[in-house]
Amino acid sequence: AQSVSQHNHHVILSEAASLELGCNYSYGGTVNLFWYVQYPGQHLQLLLKYFSGDPLVKGIKGFEAEFIKSKFSFNLRKPSVQWSDTAEYFCAVNAPGSARQLTFGSGTQLTVLP
Amino acid sequence: DAGITQSPRHKVTETGTPVTLRCHQTENHRYMYWYRQDPGHGLRLIHYSYGVKDTDKGEVSDGYSVSRSKTEDFLLTLESATSSQTSVYFCAISAGTASTDTQYFGPGTRLTVL
Repeated sequence: AQSVSQHNHHVILSEAASLELGCNYSYGGTVNLFWYVQYPGQHLQLLLKYFSGDPLVKGIKGFEAEFIKSKFSFNLRKPSVQWSDTAEYFCAVNAPGSARQLTFGSGTQLTVLP
Repeated sequence: DAGITQSPRHKVTETGTPVTLRCHQTENHRYMYWYRQDPGHGLRLIHYSYGVKDTDKGEVSDGYSVSRSKTEDFLLTLESATSSQTSVYFCAISAGTASTDTQYFGPGTRLTVL
């Protein structure tokens, strides 16, 4: 079975700081990878996704993520965070053909201080 | 937002009462999902559907049942609600092909079981 680990449970940064959130998964085969964001009181929104090709993917709002297959990682990055990036961030994985089931990490709460 | 609505958006009920949550989509997607979100656990899959009358269990299906009599509606029922089922429930649809499958989420239902 797949599992996803997000080791940072709560990250606090000041505005303009750089961000990197870790995501590691355990699955030996081909995977699709996702980052979702949940702003306070809202539903999950897709930030970016990786299916194949260039391992550096760009998403909305200036976020990007790098897939490193050898490390089973898909870390999320942003060069300069804003107060409006305060939210919870979820990494998710599915294996193509796995009845389209997503496995989520436990989430990382990001707080950006003005 | 993939045309997903959920009803009710908030519900307070008492232990032992039946509860039904509704997910409605307007874009004729074949796959639909029910998740629950609890602090520290991310999102966990309860049940999913891959077509009308075709459903299967997810990771945390005990105490829940689902039905899908029409493509656009996916119902989640708690036959006899318990306090451990207090949670936020999200419905999702899957869009794309089997290899580019991406899930999009509804606005959520906050359920409190007293």
